[in-house]
Amino acid sequence: EPEVTQTPSHQVTQMGQEVILRCVPISNHLYFYWYRQILGQKVEFLVSFYNNEISEKSEIFDDQFSVERPDGSNFTLKIRSTKLEDSAMYFCASTGTSGGYRETQYFGPGTRLLVL
Amino acid sequence: GDSVTQMEGPVTLSEEAFLTINCTYTATGYPSLFWYVQYPGEGLQLLLKATKADDKGSNKGFEATYRKETTSFHLEKGSVQVSDSAVYFCALGGLSGGYQKVTFGIGTKLQVIP
Repeated sequence: EPEVTQTPSHQVTQMGQEVILRCVPISNHLYFYWYRQILGQKVEFLVSFYNNEISEKSEIFDDQFSVERPDGSNFTLKIRSTKLEDSAMYFCASTGTSGGYRETQYFGPGTRLLVL
Repeated sequence: GDSVTQMEGPVTLSEEAFLTINCTYTATGYPSLFWYVQYPGEGLQLLLKATKADDKGSNKGFEATYRKETTSFHLEKGSVQVSDSAVYFCALGGLSGGYQKVTFGIGTKLQVIP
């Protein structure tokens, strides 16, 4: 069964450093998302992406964050200058042909980011 | 905005006990409703879903019915196993700006003891 993959599974970085989290969505999907889960808290929406542009972003997704689809398969989340409070599990998700509310979002296994 | 409220855990049950995890939602329009499960050290997996009122989603012995009149989507299983120990997230898929956005509940940790 096709699945969303994410790399790395864990990343440790120093405060102020840039990190890039990578995702490979399901191959025929068109809508891509990033979510994050701070330890012990709920999963929060960060951003949705379609047709090579951001379709919506949350208030969390400030100028330190950016997303990109650099080629036909990868979808990346960049944090320009990490802060301690960016420590979280980051999930990538994708959905298929219409992005409508009836579609299921398929989630990757997550990248656990620790900022020291 | 959209929101999901679910009972906070942890919930501890003996094997073969009956499970109910309550979930209620607030949304505009007609969202889809989901239960996701997160096993220790793993990502989010879709457990079941329902896309319209009175639909019942089911998978692996788990069931949930989309109740529009009570805005609820409670998760049930008749006989839990140790392998069901995980965190369960109720979620709704709504439209925002024309695109889907999933809103999650806080998650309920279930521990099943032999």
